[in-house]
Amino acid sequence: KNQVEQSPQSLIILEGKNCTLQCNYTVSPFSNLRWYKQDTGRGPVSLTIMTFSENTKSNGRYTATLDADTKQSSLHITASQLSDSASYICVVSSAVSDGNNNDMRFGAGTRLTVKP
Amino acid sequence: DSGVTQTPKHLITATGQRVTLRCSPRSGDLSVYWYQQSLDQGLQFLIQYYNGEERAKGNILERFSAQQFPDLHSELNLSSLELGDSALYFCASSPQGSGGWSEQYFGPGTRLTVT
Repeated sequence: KNQVEQSPQSLIILEGKNCTLQCNYTVSPFSNLRWYKQDTGRGPVSLTIMTFSENTKSNGRYTATLDADTKQSSLHITASQLSDSASYICVVSSAVSDGNNNDMRFGAGTRLTVKP
Repeated sequence: DSGVTQTPKHLITATGQRVTLRCSPRSGDLSVYWYQQSLDQGLQFLIQYYNGEERAKGNILERFSAQQFPDLHSELNLSSLELGDSALYFCASSPQGSGGWSEQYFGPGTRLTVT
């Protein structure tokens, strides 16, 4: 079972509307959580990075929240624009690496489509 | 533009062949990461190199290998290619060696098509 689950898998909204994407994780011990935006066919771009002591972090119209107790994070997009159409990927890092020294756990992403 | 360059941009080859993908990290970055992204699939972490040494491993097949050279550029070698290896291959770089802590900057990717 994946340690990072994102929902919904896909989402269609109208331009100008707000939306919220979810990321639930079971990674333990927790180190940090990142949200990436990936335009189709392009490399991901970092939006926010949050440690356990941070509840909210904003980057323009993007606001990420983190509840380390319930192991949930959300990415809220305000006043959506056509350019927000992309996949949004949640990456959770563990404070302990696995046997291959890898500490990153990736969600499958949410594909957002913003329509005019 | 992230500052990470990847070549080639597109690659078409036949099953059973071997290819090499190239990545140049941002100036000053010591870590290079390789990722595979199949059609409509999530990012799969393959391997990380830090200052020339293998640092972390993900879901990398035995048919795949990578190395980082003294000038810090990296190559990902894919051999005995299968149809299922068709994917986008991304390289990312970061200043430090910790994948979980470092801000990673992704390149534009190499699209590999195996026919």
